[in-house]
Amino acid sequence: NAGVMQNPRHLVRRRGQEARLRCSPMKGHSHVYWYRQLPEEGLKFMVYLQKENIIDESGMPKERFSAEFPKEGPSILRIQQVVRGDSAAYFCASSHSGTSGTEQFFGPGTRLTVL
Amino acid sequence: DQQVKQNSPSLSVQEGRISILNCDYTNSMFDYFLWYKKYPAEGPTFLISISSIKDKNEDGRFTVFLNKSAKHLSLHIVPSQPGDSAVYFCAARGNRDDKIIFGKGTRLHILP
Repeated sequence: NAGVMQNPRHLVRRRGQEARLRCSPMKGHSHVYWYRQLPEEGLKFMVYLQKENIIDESGMPKERFSAEFPKEGPSILRIQQVVRGDSAAYFCASSHSGTSGTEQFFGPGTRLTVL
Repeated sequence: DQQVKQNSPSLSVQEGRISILNCDYTNSMFDYFLWYKKYPAEGPTFLISISSIKDKNEDGRFTVFLNKSAKHLSLHIVPSQPGDSAVYFCAARGNRDDKIIFGKGTRLHILP
């Protein structure tokens, strides 16, 4: 039973380019969460999605960032016109439901470096 | 505004002894608390959790204690083993809340 998969594991972009991060949830999970971890910081919530719906995007920066979880395929976190401050580890988590006591399982993360 | 605080960035403990990691929170609406363990270049792994209606939860070598009046929780690991060396994140969720709020983590070193 494969866990949460994220790719690429490492991504290097120059300022102004676009970054696309992919997340495939665990089998049977339809809830996906994206978190960002800046150096020496904890993980910070960005967005919560179910299939084809954004449920909570309160942690997403207002500009340049978007997320989707289509009916088929992985969830995508897209960062347009990247800047150096976007360099971070981006973690995806999935769960089988969205209730408070449900465990979120994390992927290995994508480490984004912006040159 | 740090709602979950881990004030010790690092902790060193002798193998076989007890490791105690502490965590404070400010939001009284949190009703579910979690500890995650993270190795370098990996995602966080769920370790143990506790509901706000309890004050203790035990799972093998790991015990979490919750003091609601003090808004404080702690993770006890006994006996500590070399494989326990990792970063430990304290985290919390509110009732019907989807997001997990993480502390900054405590790096635990188990000394031989």
